[in-house]
Amino acid sequence: GEQVEQRPPHLSVREGDSAVITCTYTDPNSYYFFWYKQEPGASLQLLMKVFSSTEINEGQGFTVLLNKKDKRLSLNLTAAHPGDSAAYFCAVSSHTGYQNFYFGKGTSLTVIP
Amino acid sequence: ETAVFQTPNYHVTQVGNEVSFNCKQTLGHDTMYWYKQDSKKLLKIMFSYNNKQLIVNETVPRRFSPQSSDKAHLNLRIKSVEPEDSAVYLCASSSRRDSAETLYFGSGTRLTVL
Repeated sequence: GEQVEQRPPHLSVREGDSAVITCTYTDPNSYYFFWYKQEPGASLQLLMKVFSSTEINEGQGFTVLLNKKDKRLSLNLTAAHPGDSAAYFCAVSSHTGYQNFYFGKGTSLTVIP
Repeated sequence: ETAVFQTPNYHVTQVGNEVSFNCKQTLGHDTMYWYKQDSKKLLKIMFSYNNKQLIVNETVPRRFSPQSSDKAHLNLRIKSVEPEDSAVYLCASSSRRDSAETLYFGSGTRLTVL
C-alpha cells in the first residue's frame, strides 16, 4: 500500500524565518493531497488541499508545492510566527485499499519569538 | 465551524472497564472513521465505515468495536480497556461521492487508563 514519509519530525525556527516540511509518497495513483495543522491539545484542522500534477497553492503565510513526478509534497511557511507552532501532518488520498487517507508521522514545529 | 462532534472530551477509567465514545457528523458525509493518536502523535486508522461496508484495520484488537445506527453516527466501544489503550481517539468523516474527498476531524476523546 501507500507509504508516506514526512520530514523533519521536529523543526525549530525563529520568528520571521521560513520553515519547510516535506512529504514523499510511493503510490503514483494517489491524487489528492492535504496538509493538516494540529495545535496543542486540539484536533486536526485542514490547512490546504491540492490536486493533480505540479501545483502551487498559497494560503495565509504558507505555500504548498506538489510535484507528482517526484511524488513529493511540501509545505513552506514563508515568515513563521509563534502562532504557527503546532504539529503538521501531510495526508495522501488513494483509493487503492481500504484506508483512503495515508498520513505522515507529523512534524512538530516550534517558532521561537 | 465544528461539524464532527465527539463526546466525551476526556475519559479516565480503570483497566478492565468498558468504555464507549460517541461521534456524530452533520456534513452529510457517507463515510466515517476512527483514528487512534498515540503519545507520539502518530495517527493510526482503526475503522472505516460507510452505510454499506465496515472495514477494519486487522491490527486493531478485538476488544475494539465500532457501532453505527446510521451514516451520521459512528460510536466506538472498548470492551475491556488496557493501559496501552490510553490515547486520543479521533473521529473523522468524508464523502466518497465528492470528487475532492476531504477528511474532517472531530475534537477527539482523550482516554486515560489507570
